[in-house]
Amino acid sequence: GENVEQHPSTLSVQEGDSAVIKCTYSDSASNYFPWYKQELGKGPQLIIDIRSNVGEKKDQRIAVTLNKTAKHFSLHITETQPEDSAVYFCAASITPDSWGKFQFGAGTQVVVTP
Amino acid sequence: NAGVTQTPKFQVLKTGQSMTLQCAQDMNHNSMYWYRQDPGMGLRLIYYSASEGTTDKGEVPNGYNVSRLNKREFSLRLESAAPSQTSVYFCASSDGGPQPQHFGDGTRLSIL
Repeated sequence: GENVEQHPSTLSVQEGDSAVIKCTYSDSASNYFPWYKQELGKGPQLIIDIRSNVGEKKDQRIAVTLNKTAKHFSLHITETQPEDSAVYFCAASITPDSWGKFQFGAGTQVVVTP
Repeated sequence: NAGVTQTPKFQVLKTGQSMTLQCAQDMNHNSMYWYRQDPGMGLRLIYYSASEGTTDKGEVPNGYNVSRLNKREFSLRLESAAPSQTSVYFCASSDGGPQPQHFGDGTRLSIL
């Protein structure tokens, strides 16, 4: 099955700086890579996703890049703000047939200090 | 918009007790999921329901049962709670496919 590794486990950044979280996956057939943000006491929220036919996707201050050859993908947050403080999870799956094989990374605690 | 609603938000049980966690979504989504979240382990899929009338095991189904009561509701039952089931449980839904799109705010369950 798919195995997703996420690094770093914690990340402290100064407000205004950029943050980068990296994930690697094991199954070369994986074709869908979402990112979730979880604020304290809340459930995860889907914030951006990318499919294997695209190398990069942006949405305002967040972007995701995918390197299929190396089997890794990254989340980039620019101009970080205190409200970006949260736990971020990556995931990988093979859609549409990977029911039960959707794997999350272990999460990255991001702390943005003013 | 309520989205995905879970009840209760907190619960303390004694070993051996049973309980049902409730989940309802108001987005007319076909698929629903139950995850558990433990420190340092991300989210692990317990059971899922790809569509109304179907349920299947996920990664960690032992000790749990589920019921897809209708399109809106998907419940998770612990028949005989064990301390290893102490966790935060999340229900999620999507309009189709194995990727959850909307999560509830969780049920924090402690088993003594």
